[in-house]
Amino acid sequence: DQQVKQNSPSLSVQEGRISILNCDYTNSMFDYFLWYKKYPAEGPTFLISISSIKDKNEDGRFTVFLNKSAKHLSLHIVPSQPGDSAVYFCATTGGSSGSARQLTFGSGTQLTVLP
Amino acid sequence: GAGVSQTPSNKVTEKGKYVELRCDPISGHTALYWYRQSLGQGPEFLIYFQGTGAADDSGLPNDRFFAVRPEGSVSTLKIQRTERGDSAVYLCASSSSGTFTDTQYFGPGTRLTVL
Repeated sequence: DQQVKQNSPSLSVQEGRISILNCDYTNSMFDYFLWYKKYPAEGPTFLISISSIKDKNEDGRFTVFLNKSAKHLSLHIVPSQPGDSAVYFCATTGGSSGSARQLTFGSGTQLTVLP
Repeated sequence: GAGVSQTPSNKVTEKGKYVELRCDPISGHTALYWYRQSLGQGPEFLIYFQGTGAADDSGLPNDRFFAVRPEGSVSTLKIQRTERGDSAVYLCASSSSGTFTDTQYFGPGTRLTVL
């Protein structure tokens, strides 16, 4: 069973507009959440993270929102740029289990920003 | 500085053969992770090293998979009797100390194709 779900495999947005990528998780023990960006033929690159004690974290054009009661997080990119076109993965880690350090990834959302 | 490097970038082998995949982590990083990414999926955890020891190998799919990190830096993932289902991109990541909030930096991956 998937513990982290990204239900939208793709998203297209016009340059300058907001991109909103969504992610749901099932395990309430997760307490650290991340977004990674991946270009073709490269490894995932860390983008932004948020701890479960917060509900928002902002870094430049990127903001991550966490709704713990809904087990939902989202990534907002404003304004979107063509260079943002990539696959975005949400990931979780932490918790009290022995596997706290491994990242559990969603299946990714391909973002295309149209010029 | 140099990032995580992985060799080879591509490996094509025949069913039943043995393969070794190499990972050079960022210098000084004590934690090293292996993940596997199948087409259309997010990376899936395989094994985590803290120093020379495998701290968590719960993601290895079966006993055909084995990984070592004898000197606490370079790691080798070994797959015996390869099967077509082993075809995937194998990603390596490293982090400075292995706490769950440490950023994991990924290499570009090795694309393994089993014919």
